[in-house]
Amino acid sequence: QQKVQQSPESLSVPEGGMASLNCTSSDRNFQYFWWYRQHSGEGPKALMSIFSDGDKKEGRFTAHLNKASLHVSLHIRDSQPSDSALYFCAAREGADRLTFGKGTQLIIQP
Amino acid sequence: DAGVTQTPRHEVAEKGQTIILKCEPVSGHNDLFWYRQTKIQGLELLSYFRSKSLMEDGGAFKDRFKAEMLNSSFSTLKIQPTEPKDSAVYLCASSQGGAETLYFGSGTRLTVL
Repeated sequence: QQKVQQSPESLSVPEGGMASLNCTSSDRNFQYFWWYRQHSGEGPKALMSIFSDGDKKEGRFTAHLNKASLHVSLHIRDSQPSDSALYFCAAREGADRLTFGKGTQLIIQP
Repeated sequence: DAGVTQTPRHEVAEKGQTIILKCEPVSGHNDLFWYRQTKIQGLELLSYFRSKSLMEDGGAFKDRFKAEMLNSSFSTLKIQPTEPKDSAVYLCASSQGGAETLYFGSGTRLTVL
């Protein structure tokens, strides 16, 4: 079973709209969560991390973590064409390596 | 600071050939990872090194895939012999370890004919 599951697999949002990506973990030992973004032809790049329950905002991006339900979300407001990319959720337990989800393909329609 | 450098960017191999992919991690990073990326399977871990010691060797990939960390600033991934199903993007990544951010290279796109 995939320890980190992402939904939806693909998401299309009009330019200027709000994109919401979801991630659920099946391992209660996961304590640290990241969102990575990968543009075509490049490697994934860390977008933001969240380690505590609640919201964390960085510019147009807001991550939300609920450790009780093992749910992490990423919300992108005022979506831009440059936000079109593959988004990965990743989690880790302590100093162990990251476990990645399969990704959500986000398409921003001009 | 330079990021993670991977060479070559593209590789085309005939079935049965041996290929070697190269990776230079970010200077000072202790952890190094090799991943394979496909649309169907996503990111699959091939190997994980910590301070040059092999920590994890992806079970399904052991027979034909061998990663080595020759020194703290250079790693190779050898695929021998290659098969068409090995066609994918191979990504190298490094981090300082612990709960630190992972830095990825741009990847090597391998096509096996």
